[in-house]
Formats: sequence, structure tokens, C-alpha cells
Amino acid sequence: KAGVTQTPRYLIKTRGQQVTLSCSPISGHRSVSWYQQTPGQGLQFLFEYFSETQRNKGNFPGRFSGRQFSNSRSEMNVSTLELGDSALYLCASSLERGRTEAFFGQGTRLTVV
Amino acid sequence: TQLLEQSPQFLSIQEGENLTVYCNSSSVFSSLQWYRQEPGEGPVLLVTVVTGGEVKKLKRLTFQFGDARKDSSLHITAAQPGDTGLYLCAGTNIGSSNTGKLIFGQGTTLQVKP
Repeated sequence: KAGVTQTPRYLIKTRGQQVTLSCSPISGHRSVSWYQQTPGQGLQFLFEYFSETQRNKGNFPGRFSGRQFSNSRSEMNVSTLELGDSALYLCASSLERGRTEAFFGQGTRLTVV
Repeated sequence: TQLLEQSPQFLSIQEGENLTVYCNSSSVFSSLQWYRQEPGEGPVLLVTVVTGGEVKKLKRLTFQFGDARKDSSLHITAAQPGDTGLYLCAGTNIGSSNTGKLIFGQGTTLQVKP
């Protein structure tokens, strides 16, 4: 069974641009969550999607958004990039909402210059 | 804000030594998970503990969930260089508004020298 797949693995963007990251969950998993990992803040929750609806959201500005498709694949978008958005963005999938096990992808390393 | 305090932040030991990593909070968690992460990769799930007082063993790793479900520990016996990595605890707070949201500790960077 394939794991969580995130694309692209690496991305370099300029301040002010926008970026879209993609996540394909484990087959059969319906819940997808996104996290931002930085050296200073560690792993922080961005949002969770289930059945194409955002179910939970972390404390991030509105520039961070996401969506989930009917096949459970998810995308997250960051608009008007800032230098501080440079981070490893991780996607995690779970079988259902409320299931405790979350399986992470390899992440997308975003660098904003 | 729910927090998970993880300690120590850094640990450098010799092969064969034992170590314990702690994860503490003032909040009650419905479950707690331990992950291991290598540089440039995503966290890999090691174990999930759900019941207060629960102890789980994974080869040389022993995980314990506190009776009150506010703390957890990871003990590694006879550490090996292959155990080197970032160890993260993560929990889900009780409450429907917290479903799907993992709170992470800051992590413990473990280096095991041959």
C-alpha cells in the first residue's frame, strides 16, 4: 500500500508569489491534515479536511487555505508569500475523523526568497 | 493554548546507554503518539497510547502513558546509532473541536555515537 505522497518535494518562490502544494493520502484514508514545521516553532497544525470540508483550523492567517477533492486528495495554497513562510509543509492522512493514527508524507520544503 | 513540553531537547549518548524522553502537559489528552523523524523526511509513527497507565513495547523502546493522560515517556534500552533522530510526542486533546488536530512537543534530538 502506497504511503502519503506530497508534491513537489522542494520549491523555491519569491516573496509576494503564491504556491500550491499537493497531497495524496493513503488509499482509503478520508481525513487529511496539514502541518507547518519550522526550527523555531516546531510542528504546527494548519487545517484538517474530511469529506471535502474543512473541519478544523489552526492559528494561521487567511493567506493559508486548502481544499479536499472527492478522491480525498488535498491541496493547500499560500498566497502573498512572506520570508517567514519558509518551512517544511507536512501532510498527514488518517482513516477517518477521530482516528488517532496519523501517517505523514515526506513533506514539501518551501523556501521563500 | 494546549502545550506539550518535551524534555530533554537534545541528548547525545554512547551506544549501549539507556535514555528516557519525557512529554508533559497540564491538559488531558484522549490519545498520545510518538513519532521519529529523520532530516528532510516526514515523521514516522512509532506508537499510539490511549489508555491511562498504558505501557507499550516496541523492541528496545518502551512507551508509557500517564495515569491521568497528561504525560508520557519514551524509554530506549541499549541505544544504537540507528536510533539517532528527532523524537516527537503528539497528542489529541479531548473535545470535538480538537478532532483531527495534533498538538506536537518541540521534539528531542537524539544522537547515539558508536
